[in-house]
Amino acid sequence: GENVEQHPSTLSVQEGDSAVIKCTYSDSASNYFPWYKQELGKRPQLIIDIRSNVGEKKDQRIAVTLNKTAKHFSLHITETQPEDSAVYFCAARSYNTDKLIFGTGTRLQVFP
Amino acid sequence: DAGVIQSPRHEVTEMGQEVTLRCKPISGHNSLFWYRQTMMRGLELLIYFNNNVPIDDSGMPEDRFSAKMPNASFSTLKIQPSEPRDSAVYFCASSIHGEKLFFGSGTQLSVL
Repeated sequence: GENVEQHPSTLSVQEGDSAVIKCTYSDSASNYFPWYKQELGKRPQLIIDIRSNVGEKKDQRIAVTLNKTAKHFSLHITETQPEDSAVYFCAARSYNTDKLIFGTGTRLQVFP
Repeated sequence: DAGVIQSPRHEVTEMGQEVTLRCKPISGHNSLFWYRQTMMRGLELLIYFNNNVPIDDSGMPEDRFSAKMPNASFSTLKIQPSEPRDSAVYFCASSIHGEKLFFGSGTQLSVL
C-alpha cells in the first residue's frame, strides 16, 4: 500500500527565513498531493494541493513542487512569520482510490 | 455550511465501556473518513466510505472497532470494549472524491 515519508520531523527557523519540508511516496499511481497545517489543539486544515500533471503551484508565500520521477514533493514557505508555527502534514492519494495517506508531520517553529 | 460536525468533543470513559463517536459530514460530500491521531503514530486512516458504503477498513485496529454510515449525513465510530491504548484524538473528515478533505474538530478520547 501507499507509504508517505516526511522530513524533517522538526524545523526551527528565524522569522523572515524560508522553510522547506520534503516528502516521498511509494505508490507510483499517486496523483494528488495536499499539504495540511495543524495548529496546537486544532484540526488539520488544507493549505495547498497539487495534482500529478503539474510540477509546481504557488499561493502567496507558500509553494509546492512535485518530482514524479523521483516520487517526492516539497512544501516551501518564504518570509516565514511566527504565525506559521504549526505542524505540517503532507499526504498522497492514488488515482484509483479516495484513500489519503498522511506523512508523519513536521513541527515548524518560527522564532521572532 | 457549518463544516464537519463531530460529537462529543471530549469523552472520558473507563476501560471496558462502549464508546460511540459521531460525525455529520458537509452536505454534498460523497466521501467520509475516520482518522486517529496520536503522538506516536500520527494521523492514521481507520476507514473511509464512498456514497455511504465502506470502501477500505484495513486501518481499523481490531474487531473492537466498528463504523457505520446509515445515510449521507451521519456516521458513527464505535469502540467496544474500550481500552486505555485507544486514547487518542479521533477526526472525521469529508470530501468530494477524496480531494480537499475538511476535518471536524475531533473527539479527544481518554480511556482510564
